Amino acid sequence: DQQVKQNSPSLSVQEGRISILNCDYTNSMFDYFLWYKKYPAEGPTFLISISSIKDKNEDGRFTVFLNKSAKHLSLHIVPSQPGDSAVYFCAASAVMEYGNKLVFGAGTILRVKS
Amino acid sequence: DAGVTQSPTHLIKTRGQQVTLRCSPISGHKSVSWYQQVLGQGPQFIFQYYEKEERGRGNFPDRFSARQFPNYSSELNVNALLLGDSALYLCASSLAGGYGYTFGSGTRLTVV
Repeated sequence: DQQVKQNSPSLSVQEGRISILNCDYTNSMFDYFLWYKKYPAEGPTFLISISSIKDKNEDGRFTVFLNKSAKHLSLHIVPSQPGDSAVYFCAASAVMEYGNKLVFGAGTILRVKS
Repeated sequence: DAGVTQSPTHLIKTRGQQVTLRCSPISGHKSVSWYQQVLGQGPQFIFQYYEKEERGRGNFPDRFSARQFPNYSSELNVNALLLGDSALYLCASSLAGGYGYTFGSGTRLTVV
């Protein structure tokens, strides 16, 4: 069962414009959400996160919004730059009996055109 | 500072063989997790270890096993390899199994 879904496999945006990446989840027990960025031949790199008790978190050009009632989060990148072109993964933290794990979406390929 | 290091970078194995993948966490990090990323999908959780003890296991068959050593490095073993085991295997470390995961670059395993 896919508990975290990224329904857009790819997104193409012009340099300088806003990129909006979306993510939906089904498990209301998720308490923390993260966005990772991945370049080819590299591991995922942490970008930004948000606790379930907040609805917005900003870090420079990156802002994550959380709508708990809709079980939806989004990542906004403003302004988009060509170096932002990568695969973006949404992940949710799930508590296990003795630890926690990340549940990832399938990813969205972002292409920023110059 | 060295990040999470994984070895080998690439590996080609034949069906039925066994493979061992290695991970060294960031210095000071006591928790290591393993993830499998199949092409076109997001990483899937395999194991989490903290202080040398297994803290969680994902929905993977018993052919998959892991362990963590006293220096907090870890090995992932996969027995009786199947073609479907071909994937990028990612190791992530964190201070105490919390949210601050740092991933390595992964080991690309190809089973032929």
